[in-house]
Amino acid sequence: AQTVTQSQPEMSVQEAETVTLSCTYDTSESNYYLFWYKQPPSRQMILVIRQEAYKQQNATENRFSVNFQKAAKSFSLKISDSQLGDTAMYFCAPIFAGGATNKLIFGTGTLLAVQP
Amino acid sequence: DAGVTQSPTHLIKTRGQQVTLRCSPKSGHDTVSWYQQALGQGPQFIFQYYEEEERQRGNFPDRFSGHQFPNYSSELNVNALLLGDSALYLCASSLGTVGYEQYFGPGTRLTVT
Repeated sequence: AQTVTQSQPEMSVQEAETVTLSCTYDTSESNYYLFWYKQPPSRQMILVIRQEAYKQQNATENRFSVNFQKAAKSFSLKISDSQLGDTAMYFCAPIFAGGATNKLIFGTGTLLAVQP
Repeated sequence: DAGVTQSPTHLIKTRGQQVTLRCSPKSGHDTVSWYQQALGQGPQFIFQYYEEEERQRGNFPDRFSGHQFPNYSSELNVNALLLGDSALYLCASSLGTVGYEQYFGPGTRLTVT
């Protein structure tokens, strides 16, 4: 079975500081894609960052970056210079592409609160 | 450039009734996926449509059905509503069917009483 685990249900960070959210997954497939999404109180699901499993270089999008450790099946999200607008639920969501699918498998989420 | 749109925003139905939710994908996108998000949980995949066909289905009963139109817009139909069908229904569109970024609409909040 393909599973996604986010072991931190809630986290808190001070504005302007750095925080890292953890995600581990379990799969036997070699071809997959990894995503982080954020869902603020408005409930709109917003794509944060994408990583392809065959790429060794970690993806970066402005203040957001990932630490992808393929052997450990770990995909953590680092948020630098945290802002109040980063307060949201964050979901790790891989696509295991062996079945030629675009099905996202969402973790349980980490609720991040950025404190002023 | 319009993003993914969904209608209606909110809906209240009674047990046993039927409901239809609608989704228009982001301009240029040809693939639509539907997800159900119960309160306090991550979204669960319902099914995906590409070229007007259901390409993959999650672990949902046949009461959940869908359709994709030639303009790539999509509908989600749920028959014989149960209280447990109360959730936020999210539509996501992408360009292509494997591994592409999916962009979500604002969702439809369905309440079954």
